[in-house]
Amino acid sequence: DSGVTQTPKHLITATGQRVTLRCSPRSGDLSVYWYQQSLDQGLQFLIQYYNGEERAKGNILERFSAQQFPDLHSELNLSSLELGDSALYFCASSVSPGGDSPLHFGNGTRLTVT
Amino acid sequence: QQQVKQSPQSLIVQKGGISIINCAYENTAFDYFPWYQQFPGKGPALLIAIRPDVSEKKEGRFTISFNKSAKQFSLHIMDSQPGDSATYFCAAGGATSGTYKYIFGTGTRLKVLA
Repeated sequence: DSGVTQTPKHLITATGQRVTLRCSPRSGDLSVYWYQQSLDQGLQFLIQYYNGEERAKGNILERFSAQQFPDLHSELNLSSLELGDSALYFCASSVSPGGDSPLHFGNGTRLTVT
Repeated sequence: QQQVKQSPQSLIVQKGGISIINCAYENTAFDYFPWYQQFPGKGPALLIAIRPDVSEKKEGRFTISFNKSAKQFSLHIMDSQPGDSATYFCAAGGATSGTYKYIFGTGTRLKVLA
């Protein structure tokens, strides 16, 4: 168990809808990362937060947004959903935003858009 | 320059054999090279990692070989077991544009035959 908690585990919704994915990092970790994993694809970096502030952006669509709250949990909001947004969404956390601490991943949220 | 190229895409090995997965990178700013193991329905879990100041790191049956001049690194799984059947991701971490980022390879699906 990595200590990173993601909810919900599964989400099925229709095109055009909006969903929120939640992540609680490991105790003591200040940095949160969001990744998207499509079928047979690698992990695509979406966005990173550190201690409540956005730190880095990757290939995140404008329809997607995220935030990290004072208690350090993070939410990823996906809106105007399209079929192509169906994927596994992973949250990872680390102690610091640099390379001196590894990433620890949650078990993901599987999003299915119908 | 931000890519990490991973091969092969899939690998089948007999029990007791050696599994070898290769990765190559271009950005010399990368300074941390972890490998992650992912079982179906789970998030990636850190397996072993290396920094460029050493050429090899061994942890049990898992060894990373690192060639800084060739910008390549590989994972060797000795005495491969059916329980090693999983998807393996290499990654490279480094500071680019003022932030530290992790770039993942596309993954290798390993199947170890009993």
